[in-house]
Amino acid sequence: GAGVSQTPSNKVTEKGKYVELRCDPISGHTALYWYRQSLGQGPEFLIYFQGTGAADDSGLPNDRFFAVRPEGSVSTLKIQRTERGDSAVYLCASSLAGGLSDTQYFGPGTRLTVL
Amino acid sequence: QQQVKQSPQSLIVQKGGISIINCAYENTAFDYFPWYQQFPGKGPALLIAIRPDVSEKKEGRFTISFNKSAKQFSLHIMDSQPGDSATYFCAASKSGAGSYQLTFGKGTKLSVIP
Repeated sequence: GAGVSQTPSNKVTEKGKYVELRCDPISGHTALYWYRQSLGQGPEFLIYFQGTGAADDSGLPNDRFFAVRPEGSVSTLKIQRTERGDSAVYLCASSLAGGLSDTQYFGPGTRLTVL
Repeated sequence: QQQVKQSPQSLIVQKGGISIINCAYENTAFDYFPWYQQFPGKGPALLIAIRPDVSEKKEGRFTISFNKSAKQFSLHIMDSQPGDSATYFCAASKSGAGSYQLTFGKGTKLSVIP
């Protein structure tokens, strides 16, 4: 079956530009997470959606980062005024209902490079 | 503050050997401990997970050992195979926060040599 998909797979941008990263979760999954993985590190939590609402955005590093999930399915992570330090792999994960032991299924990620 | 500490950073094991990766956590509120496997260019995939009410869980060649009093848990891979070569991440999550976000260790790169 279809897993979590993310587009684009790679994104190269210049410092100061705006970028959008898209996540298509597994059909029927109500919970959606965004994580950021820097080189040689484990993923770090950014934001969690339950349905259409951002239930926990405590991991967003600053107000340049924003995410939406308007219809409770596809989500878009938006980064304004990109900085070189934003370069990382951005991972999306979805789970069936968002419970503690619900498996989080990860997409392949979007590799963002800010020049 | 690193809430989940993982060691070693890298590990080389001969085919057929046992791979052991260790993790320690600080937050006693954590009550779900999964291990994820990640191949290059792919997202992490759940391998096996444990709750703190049991001390060990085994699935095939993979075993988690859990020591609640020491706040430590480990992954054992028996009969390691070259196809097991990947990066392994331990993680932890806690209930009651509304968001079951995973807190990951820094990862262990496992190489299984023939």
